[in-house]
Amino acid sequence: QQQVKQSPQSLIVQKGGISIINCAYENTAFDYFPWYQQFPGKGPALLIAIRPDVSEKKEGRFTISFNKSAKQFSLHIMDSQPGDSATYFCAARGGGNKLTFGTGTQLKVEL
Amino acid sequence: GAVVSQHPSWVICKSGTSVKIECRSLDFQATTMFWYRQFPKQSLMLMATSNEGSKATYEQGVEKDKFLINHASLTLSTLTVTSAHPEDSSFYICSAPGGWYNSPLHFGNGTRLTVT
Repeated sequence: QQQVKQSPQSLIVQKGGISIINCAYENTAFDYFPWYQQFPGKGPALLIAIRPDVSEKKEGRFTISFNKSAKQFSLHIMDSQPGDSATYFCAARGGGNKLTFGTGTQLKVEL
Repeated sequence: GAVVSQHPSWVICKSGTSVKIECRSLDFQATTMFWYRQFPKQSLMLMATSNEGSKATYEQGVEKDKFLINHASLTLSTLTVTSAHPEDSSFYICSAPGGWYNSPLHFGNGTRLTVT
């Protein structure tokens, strides 16, 4: 019940295209859903986050779509750039401020 | 704001020795910090919750005698890997919630531990 499933495992997108990463969860007690971006050898950096009472949140080129009834949420990266090439993790927050992470998506944006 | 600093960024040690990793919240206080472990190309796994002024709470399967956690102040938590073995080689990352109510977790830049 604590799992967060993430797909795809890897993704190749052309420059200017849209990158879409999906996550699904089971635990309805999760109350906050952040996305993190991680470059090799670095810690994860908070990208964007959403609460379950909101269906969509947009910050610049990054949008989270949240479907509470389906227990799914996704990250859309518009106008993807080579600098966006990184590993992306979705996460869900449970009790005690603990985060459960998805398995990660390795994104490569090609020229 | 909400910067988490981790030191060292990498360390190499010999089997049987102990290694200490520091995690500091630079511009805010953190009564709670979290320690994660990440193997290459894998996700982050929570090891333990560090609590200022009290004992750390460990996740199932994490040996508390091997991974000693001390939350000495409101801005410092340390993780000591005792009697390290090659299988302890990993990327260790700490995190802390920012200093405001319901703030998200902010992560340090991690420590790459290699045990030879």
